[in-house]
Amino acid sequence: DTGVSQNPRHKITKRGQNVTFRCDPISEHNRLYWYRQTLGQGPEFLTYFQNEAQLEKSRLLSDRFSAERPKGSFSTLEIQRTEQGDSAMYLCASSLARYRNYGYTFGSGTRLTVV
Amino acid sequence: SQKIEQNSEALNIQEGKTATLTCNYTNYSPAYLQWYRQDPGRGPVFLLLIRENEKEKRKERLKVTFDTTLKQSLFHITASQPADSATYLCALVPFSGNTPLVFGKGTRLSVIA
Repeated sequence: DTGVSQNPRHKITKRGQNVTFRCDPISEHNRLYWYRQTLGQGPEFLTYFQNEAQLEKSRLLSDRFSAERPKGSFSTLEIQRTEQGDSAMYLCASSLARYRNYGYTFGSGTRLTVV
Repeated sequence: SQKIEQNSEALNIQEGKTATLTCNYTNYSPAYLQWYRQDPGRGPVFLLLIRENEKEKRKERLKVTFDTTLKQSLFHITASQPADSATYLCALVPFSGNTPLVFGKGTRLSVIA
């Protein structure tokens, strides 16, 4: 297991198009998180899953955003009708819920540019 | 309102000196606090976690303190090296339990040879 994997690394899309990102967490981690980060800011929480259940969604997550984790393994984040304000780095992280001595393991992110 | 403030956007120090980064929080009662390192174009990497009942934690050249009265954590890198240049993020769990991490904006550290 080589850590958290995110695909694609970069995505350029035209305004109004739909995009989907994928995250493969560390296999034994039951929690998966999505964050968004813009230049000069810290990561902002979007949503998280424990196994396949989506436990919390941020108010940042408009109805154009949807996330799934169908079998409690990989997750997808879809943005519909993209807007220029959606341009950001989308980060995925995973953790083991019962081990609180450890932080999150992040992927390298997907950089989205909406033109 | 709830805030996490890392009070320096950027910090430049000479190689070999100790870098000290500050994280202050308002209107949170965190069970624990974490520090991450982030390099450009990469995801954050976990460094250290300190609990509310711990005053200090060390790992190699890194030291973190946590003062729940001052609502502040300090992050120290001793004998700093140019390879330590990165952005350092403070993060906390807002409440005891399993709520997700909330991050500060980070401090960009540059260690000059």
